[in-house]
Amino acid sequence: SYVLTQPPSVSVAPGKTAKITCGGNNIGSNNVNWYQQRPGQAPLLVIYFDTDRPSGIPERFSGSNSGNTATLTISRVEAGDEADYYCQVWDSSSDHWVFGGGTKLTVL
Amino acid sequence: EVQLLESGGGLVQPGESLRLSCAASGFIFGSDAMSWVRQAPGKGLEWVSSLSGSGTATYYADSVKGRFTVSRDNSKNTLYLQMNSLRAEDTAIYYCAKSSGVRDEFDYWGQGTLVTVSA
Repeated sequence: SYVLTQPPSVSVAPGKTAKITCGGNNIGSNNVNWYQQRPGQAPLLVIYFDTDRPSGIPERFSGSNSGNTATLTISRVEAGDEADYYCQVWDSSSDHWVFGGGTKLTVL
Repeated sequence: EVQLLESGGGLVQPGESLRLSCAASGFIFGSDAMSWVRQAPGKGLEWVSSLSGSGTATYYADSVKGRFTVSRDNSKNTLYLQMNSLRAEDTAIYYCAKSSGVRDEFDYWGQGTLVTVSA
């Protein structure tokens, strides 16, 4: 089965840039979605189709995807960005959705 | 405004059954695919099942295939998850989510319902 690998944690100072990676075999050939989950809340879509932002998501959130790594980039990080972030792809070989293990973003 | 409201969670013993519901509003329910995603306490997200808008195409995670059944009643704008032969490892918050198609991003999520399987 397809596996997505994320770092368990990323720390960043306010105002700096955070990069959260999602590794998978030839993930660049898949569409990657990213979700933010604040403590006690449901997940929220922040990036879809590798690079697109839903309405209401700040431009500070951006995505890229190439080769074996997809990346969620959060610019000018704010305290409110502290959350768990999950990547997601559709594995067409198994017709299954796959989530990464999640990355806890800590704002120092 | 899109709203998804899960219900039906609770405490059950191993081997028992439970049916979850997800009441939808604010969009054309029958046009969108729906999914269930769960999250065990302190753990990450795990996809459980997806269902096409018409209800004719269903998909299941290996961990629940043969025990769980997803269905929908488009006349009632409601999604269901019938869970049989429950195990301790099924303990989780269960979220329903919508997407345009089965292979599309989950653009709205409910707040979840807690299922606890314990003797």
